Amino acid sequence: DTAVSQTPKYLVTQMGNDKSIKCEQNLGHDTMYWYKQDSKKFLKIMFSYNNKELIINETVPNRFSPKSPDKAHLNLHINSLELGDSAVYFCASSPRVEVGEQYFGPGTRLTVT
Amino acid sequence: GQNIDQPTEMTATEGAIVQINCTYQTSGFNGLFWYQQHAGEAPTFLSYNVLDGLEEKGRFSSFLSRSKGYSYLLLKELQMKDSASYLCAVTDSNYQLIWGAGTKLIIKP
Repeated sequence: DTAVSQTPKYLVTQMGNDKSIKCEQNLGHDTMYWYKQDSKKFLKIMFSYNNKELIINETVPNRFSPKSPDKAHLNLHINSLELGDSAVYFCASSPRVEVGEQYFGPGTRLTVT
Repeated sequence: GQNIDQPTEMTATEGAIVQINCTYQTSGFNGLFWYQQHAGEAPTFLSYNVLDGLEEKGRFSSFLSRSKGYSYLLLKELQMKDSASYLCAVTDSNYQLIWGAGTKLIIKP
């Protein structure tokens, strides 16, 4: 049973394209997150949703737009992809905002050529 | 600003003990976490400290001193599979998780 799943696992695309990454958690958690991990392995929070509402929106280009259709899903859409967007994107969830123990999805390795 | 410092890389020998330090400066404190991340994989939860002292869980222990803004992760009886990055993270007053850059631990036979 996969707790936090992401699709696709790998994504190779060209500059200027638009792509989406999907995330689903079956843990019944209220809070979900999107992280970006670059080649230096630094994990950077991008967005956080609590019960479908945006609660954290770090300084990321507005080409990145999260969408939470329900509290079990948090998708990430990226417009006009750039070379610098190449990274691993992790989705995560936690029971509540106040609970820092987060469960991570397997990651999506995005390569922009 | 908020800051978490940990060594970039450490090397240890199989069977030995290693201590990975983490110092933090955050706006408020609601707990400190250690995560393990193997190359090419997602981070996984290791430990949580919210009160001062030592928390032991098998071969891994984590210590916290809130007055010093300091924590360490202690790994005993090192095994080759412990080669990974270890991430320190602190929950601030807004319950936002602030992440360190991680310590890459290399285990040698």
